[in-house]
Amino acid sequence: QVQLQESGPGLVKPSETLSLTCTVSGGSISSYYWSWIRQPPGKGLEWIGYIYMHTSGSTNYNPSLKSRVTISEDTSKNQVSLKVSSVTAADTAVYYCARGGHWDFDYWGQGTLVTVSS
Amino acid sequence: QSALTQPASVSGSPGQSITIPCTGTSSDVGGHNYVSWYQQHPGKAPKLVIYDVNNRPSGVSYRFSGSKSGNTASLTISGLQAEDEADYYCSSYTSSSTLEGSVVFGGGTKLTVL
Repeated sequence: QVQLQESGPGLVKPSETLSLTCTVSGGSISSYYWSWIRQPPGKGLEWIGYIYMHTSGSTNYNPSLKSRVTISEDTSKNQVSLKVSSVTAADTAVYYCARGGHWDFDYWGQGTLVTVSS
Repeated sequence: QSALTQPASVSGSPGQSITIPCTGTSSDVGGHNYVSWYQQHPGKAPKLVIYDVNNRPSGVSYRFSGSKSGNTASLTISGLQAEDEADYYCSSYTSSSTLEGSVVFGGGTKLTVL
């Protein structure tokens, strides 16, 4: 059974960089698409982007976030990471990592709340 | 890219059937068969219940079904049960913004089982 666990700081200051890690167990990250998705408190879901290991770690990002987002991988640790730069209060959300096919998500982590505040 | 349109809420009684529509455009729902549906209970991660318009993942109840007509996809839940009370989100591949495409979600629908 594949399990995903997000980790990282729960509080980030405005203008700084948000950094999260997703540790995958029960399967290798070398296959499938690995996405990050976020959900502001009380609001809907927003796809951030994915990394696809099968093609040497190619990435694809939500156009609205592309200038601030980087998704990377560490196959030796079976981890996928997310960085969002120049954060504002609008980036406050529960951040999920998820495994999927190209455009759907079949396994999700439990999510981690990141608050942007000084 | 604009979010897909879902009603804010729907309700039904146990045993009844309900349908949740998800309206997009020819760049997303209408133009591709990559519509998915997710169930989310309070405080929990979303769960995939339908993918590629009308396919159920292993372990998802047969009571969940999906369909599409034009630019509108639909999720139907038959034989409503109390445990079905949750938020439901649709998503679709969209080719509107970039060469590779991206994913757009609906705003979510709260299902209340009366």
